[in-house]
Amino acid sequence: SQELEQSPQSLIVQEGKNLTINCTSSKTLYGLYWYKQKYGEGLIFLMMLQKGGEEKSHEKITAKLDEKKQQSSLHITASQPSHAGIYLCGAGGSSNTGKLIFGQGTTLQVKP
Amino acid sequence: EAQVTQNPRYLITVTGKKLTVTCSQNMNHEYMSWYRQDPGLGLRQIYYSMNVEVTDKGDVPEGYKVSRKEKRNFPLILESPSPNQTSLYFCASSLGLAGGSRSYEQYFGPGTRLTVT
Repeated sequence: SQELEQSPQSLIVQEGKNLTINCTSSKTLYGLYWYKQKYGEGLIFLMMLQKGGEEKSHEKITAKLDEKKQQSSLHITASQPSHAGIYLCGAGGSSNTGKLIFGQGTTLQVKP
Repeated sequence: EAQVTQNPRYLITVTGKKLTVTCSQNMNHEYMSWYRQDPGLGLRQIYYSMNVEVTDKGDVPEGYKVSRKEKRNFPLILESPSPNQTSLYFCASSLGLAGGSRSYEQYFGPGTRLTVT
């Protein structure tokens, strides 16, 4: 079965610094999703990537799906305390089964 | 406002006492799903539904039931809750199934924190 591994598991950065979170799949990715979660709260949709090489940006967050479609990266530029939270990547399978899997999440702390 | 609502948000119950967590969406979405989130295990899919009267198992369906009698509602039923079902539960909905050549944004509810003693 497909697995998603995120790295790092946790990250502490100084405000203003850039950072990158990676999501690596054991199989080809079909539809890669990035979500943000405040501790104990719901998931907020950030971006969805589907095509190899695709890159999307929202405010200071950029996500990219590599050409081989087995890894995605999430990059935050000039981090702010509002970026703190848990970032999760999720993916669908190779066929439209409706099953989604998620990585274990990356916890980000931004120190003022 | 487009949203997924869950009730209750917090629930403490005892082993064996049947309970239902409701989920409703107002976006006319075909697809709905339930997840549980546990420390170190991440989000795991319990059940999903592709449309009314169509449901299927996710990765961790044991001990749960669901029903989809109306498009907007997708309740999660625990017939005989046990302590290992203590978790944070999320309902989600989207326009269609993700996978293959199609991808759809999933909208998540605020979560239900369940404690079974």
